[in-house]
Amino acid sequence: GAGVSQSPSNKVTEKGKDVELRCDPISGHTALYWYRQRLGQGLEFLIYFQGNSAPDKSGLPSDRFSAERTGESVSTLTIQRTQQEDSAVYLCASSLGSGGLAGGPGFFGPGTRLTVL
Amino acid sequence: SQQGEEDPQALSIQEGENATMNCSYKTSINNLQWYRQNSGRGLVHLILIRSNEREKHSGRLRVTLDTSKKSSSLLITASRAADTASYFCATHEGYQKVTFGTGTKLQVIP
Repeated sequence: GAGVSQSPSNKVTEKGKDVELRCDPISGHTALYWYRQRLGQGLEFLIYFQGNSAPDKSGLPSDRFSAERTGESVSTLTIQRTQQEDSAVYLCASSLGSGGLAGGPGFFGPGTRLTVL
Repeated sequence: SQQGEEDPQALSIQEGENATMNCSYKTSINNLQWYRQNSGRGLVHLILIRSNEREKHSGRLRVTLDTSKKSSSLLITASRAADTASYFCATHEGYQKVTFGTGTKLQVIP
């Protein structure tokens, strides 16, 4: 594909429901990141995958958040029992190389805008 | 807390003027990157400057890095309305966990 894609582009859910967000990175990119961006705010690091290494989950805000990645391709971010405070844009980025975003340019998807009513 | 912090938080200039925004960070880095985000879109990588570089140019962009002060600046010369966006610096904690500041929101008035 031409770039990083994310789906859905918009998701409206009710408080307490589970949601699953998907990220398709650029083919061949070993590094994949998830960030959360609240309205008018900066990016909040959530989780980082690099190849087959154990992911860096240090940014996940609570145990309601989890993410998986299948090999070096698709990743899903799951939020269980959503709360209104989870409303934000969730951005995915991928990067080539063992250094991840730290080693070179990252390519971001357009994001998924999550609204929890 | 964020590793990188940009200032000013917001900047409004006339088209044709230069725009300067700054980024300060806390720990040692191997490189620092600047990204742009247009409203409602993902981030676009602009430029990467390595810790052994002091200045780097790319088109109308000039980035400086002062590792002794742990700061960087992004200069956009001859600004255009299309430069209206938020600009973020990205640094890393440890080697690969990359964090972004809160951004500088630039408005270029035609």
